[in-house]
Formats: sequence, C-alpha cells, structure tokens
Amino acid sequence: EVQLVESGGGFVQPGGSLRLSCVGSGFAFGSHDMTWVRQAPGRGLEWVSTISGSSIPHYADSVKGRFTISRDNSKNIMSLQMNSPGADDSAVYYCAAGCFGCPFDFWGQGTVVTVSS
Amino acid sequence: DIQLTQSPSSLSASVGDRVTITCRASQNLGSWLAWYQHVPPKAPKSLIYSASGLQSGAPSRFSGSGSGTDFTLTISSLQPEDFGTYYCQQYQSYPFTFGGGTRVEFK
Repeated sequence: EVQLVESGGGFVQPGGSLRLSCVGSGFAFGSHDMTWVRQAPGRGLEWVSTISGSSIPHYADSVKGRFTISRDNSKNIMSLQMNSPGADDSAVYYCAAGCFGCPFDFWGQGTVVTVSS
Repeated sequence: DIQLTQSPSSLSASVGDRVTITCRASQNLGSWLAWYQHVPPKAPKSLIYSASGLQSGAPSRFSGSGSGTDFTLTISSLQPEDFGTYYCQQYQSYPFTFGGGTRVEFK
C-alpha cells in the first residue's frame, strides 16, 4: 500500500523557519518526482515545489528564494525548509508523488502550518 | 505562467445526475492535464491523467475529455460520495498550476 506521511507542521513566527518532512513507502520512491502542494484557508490548491528523482528542484515564484526542497532517496524522505515565512504561507501542506511526466498520483494527509506572531 | 479557468465555480446536483465541469487553459496543453477530487480534511484524490486516462482506483463514472485548451470532467451518475471540490491541473510545464476549483454540492 502506498503511503505518504507528512510531519513538521505547527506554529511559526513571521520571519522564522520551519522544516516539513514527507516519508514515502509502498512505491519506488527514488524514481518518483516529489511535490508539495498547499491549501490556504478558504483558498484552492496551490503548487509549491517539485523535486525530481535526480534532485532537480522547481519552485513557485511565491516561495522562490525562501523555501528549499530536498530529498534523501536512501531514507525515502522529502523535506521542505521554510525560511522567512509570512502570513500568506499559512496553509495545509500536502506531499504528493508522481512518476516523471505524470501528475500527482499519490497524496499524503497534510500537515498544518500557521504563521503568526 | 499557464492559467486554468474552471467553470462553474460551484454547482448543486442530485444523486444520479450527470455533471460536467470544464477547464480552459491559457495555452495549448496537449493532453498534459489531470483532474482531482478534494474533500477536506482528506487528501486530494487523483481521478484523471493525460486528460482522459482513468486513474487506477477511480470509479468508472468519472471520465475526462479534451485536448489543447479545452477540457471536461464528467460524472455520469452522481453518487453521495462525490461531493467535494474538483480541480484541474496542468503538468505540461513549470510552474505547475491548478484551476480555481468547482465545488459540487447536493440539492
């Protein structure tokens, strides 16, 4: 059974930092692109970042320069380092996986990030 | 960036109704379009890939069509578990983008 489990969410002050993690199991983690998608309160789904199996990253303009995506294929873990978050970054963050050239086939349950002073 | 415009933004329908949701892209996507169902707080669920491919595990009452800039998601006979919000998403090029969503409610 495919599983994606996010962790690391919580409260963070504006300008602080937070690290989210996603552990995958039940599929060939190293050959899948891994993605973060978020949903802010009352808003729709927003693509945040994707990292390929060979660790090539892509970012939405809204997070470029502040967030860093990484992965460790030996541990089936993907991470998102969130630096200098603002109120607009408050959201449920979902981890998703898809083969190269595929959409997001598998999703985690999400982890909540609240940016507030 | 590629913009995706979904319509309608919300709809009310009855069990057994045929439901159609459209997604229009600002650029030619070929068939690089997917559809998802989201019922918070659950994880989003993949329904359709490559515009018309039924995702493994998705019920056969869901179907997708279209190519280029105009796409459609159809639910042939709406079931109680189909309420929620539906999103189209393009994965032709970065930055990936989602449509604004279509909320499906029951009459």
